[in-house]
Amino acid sequence: DAGVIQSPRHEVTEMGQEVTLRCKPISGHDYLFWYRQTMMRGLELLIYFNNNVPIDDSGMPEDRFSAKMPNASFSTLKIQPSEPRDSAVYFCASTSGGRRMYYGYTFGSGTRLTVV
Amino acid sequence: AQKVTQAQTEISVVEKEDVTLDCVYETRDTTYYLFWYKQPPSGELVFLIRRNSFDEQNEISGRYSWNFQKSTSSFNFTITASQVVDSAVYFCALSEAKGGGNKLTFGTGTQLKVEL
Repeated sequence: DAGVIQSPRHEVTEMGQEVTLRCKPISGHDYLFWYRQTMMRGLELLIYFNNNVPIDDSGMPEDRFSAKMPNASFSTLKIQPSEPRDSAVYFCASTSGGRRMYYGYTFGSGTRLTVV
Repeated sequence: AQKVTQAQTEISVVEKEDVTLDCVYETRDTTYYLFWYKQPPSGELVFLIRRNSFDEQNEISGRYSWNFQKSTSSFNFTITASQVVDSAVYFCALSEAKGGGNKLTFGTGTQLKVEL
């Protein structure tokens, strides 16, 4: 089991550019979560999917953020246009419906985004 | 709404000392789950333990132990004979079975520094 795989590990981009973060959940997991970590706000849930369907996107900061899950093995988080305040570490996590409550959520290594 | 409070921002101890990290939570659900995660300097989030609201048994795993008390809404984490490798940020988290859906809400974390 390779775990949750996120790419890229680091991303530096200029303000106004489009940024796409990618996540491959653990095979067989039917829940996928996107979190953002900043010093000011800590770890906050942005959006999560169940069986590829977005369930709750109330944490998405604004229309510049969008997330998709076209299939069970891939999800993207897109920021367009990016702003310096979007600089953060973005984590993807996955779990299965029953396993979730017994073993928690498995997190990827995160993508450190810097917008200059 | 669910909420997790970790009042200790930073703790410094000398190796081999015992240390307790506090966690207080708020929830309206009668069924909920509590978690602890470790975030070492490398940045990944590592699952440590999950507790159900209906299971108040304390748990010990090696040098780690957890004390869950529903009466005080606390889920404290103790490291016995701390080691330098324990230096990390530790997060307490809560997931409600009903009211919060499947969201995992994190506390603000406690930075533990273990020095020689």
